[in-house]
Amino acid sequence: EIVLTQSPATLCLSPGERATLSCRASQSVSSFLAWYQQKPGQAPRLLIYDASNRATGIPARFSGSGSGTEFTLTISSLEPEDFAVYYCQQRSDWVATFGQGTKLEIK
Amino acid sequence: QVQLQESGPGLVKPSETLSLTCTVSGGSITNYHWSWIRQPAGKGLEWIGRMFTSGSTKYNPSLKSRVTMSLDTSKNQFSLQLNSVTAADTAVYYCARDPYWFDPWGQGTLVTVSS
Repeated sequence: EIVLTQSPATLCLSPGERATLSCRASQSVSSFLAWYQQKPGQAPRLLIYDASNRATGIPARFSGSGSGTEFTLTISSLEPEDFAVYYCQQRSDWVATFGQGTKLEIK
Repeated sequence: QVQLQESGPGLVKPSETLSLTCTVSGGSITNYHWSWIRQPAGKGLEWIGRMFTSGSTKYNPSLKSRVTMSLDTSKNQFSLQLNSVTAADTAVYYCARDPYWFDPWGQGTLVTVSS
C-alpha cells in the first residue's frame, strides 16, 4: 500500500498570505495525485487532479505541482473561505489512499 | 449534473451487517466507476472500494474480507455491505463518482455501530 504523508499537520496563516501544503508518497505515483478541500460538516471537494489540473469551478489561486513522490498544493492568496482541511489522494495502484490531512487555520 | 445521495440505517448492532445505498441522479450509473469512502469523526478519509462499469470490484485490502459492493442499473443505484461490524466501523460513509478521482461526492451518512 502506498502511504501518503502530508506536512505540516497544521498551518496558521492570515488572509492574503500564500499557503504551501506538501504531500509525500512512499513510492512513486507518477502524476496520479489529487487534492481535496473539506470544510466542517461537508463532504470533501475535488480541487486538483493528475497533480496539476484544476477541477471544474476551482479558482485560479489554487495550483498543484509535483510528480513521483513529492507534491505541492499552493494557494496564492488566501481567502477567508479557504480555511479548511486539505487531503491528498493517490490512485497509482488501483487502491486509493489518502494523506492524513493538513488543517489550514486562520492566524 | 450528477448528484449522489446515500441512504440506509443510521444505527447498526455489533457483529451485524451495515448496508447502504447510493442513488445517482443526473447521469447514468453505467457511464462511470463508483466508490465508497468513510470518515470516522474527527479523523481522515479511508477508501473502502470501487465498482467498475463492468460490474467488477476492487476493495481496500484492509476491509476486503468484509466488503461487498453491487450495482443496480435499473434503479441507478449502487450499494455497500460491510459485515461483522464493530465500533471501529462507526463513521460518516460517502459515495462518490470515481473517474479515478472522487468527484462529486454525496453529502454523507453517519452510521453508528452500537448495541
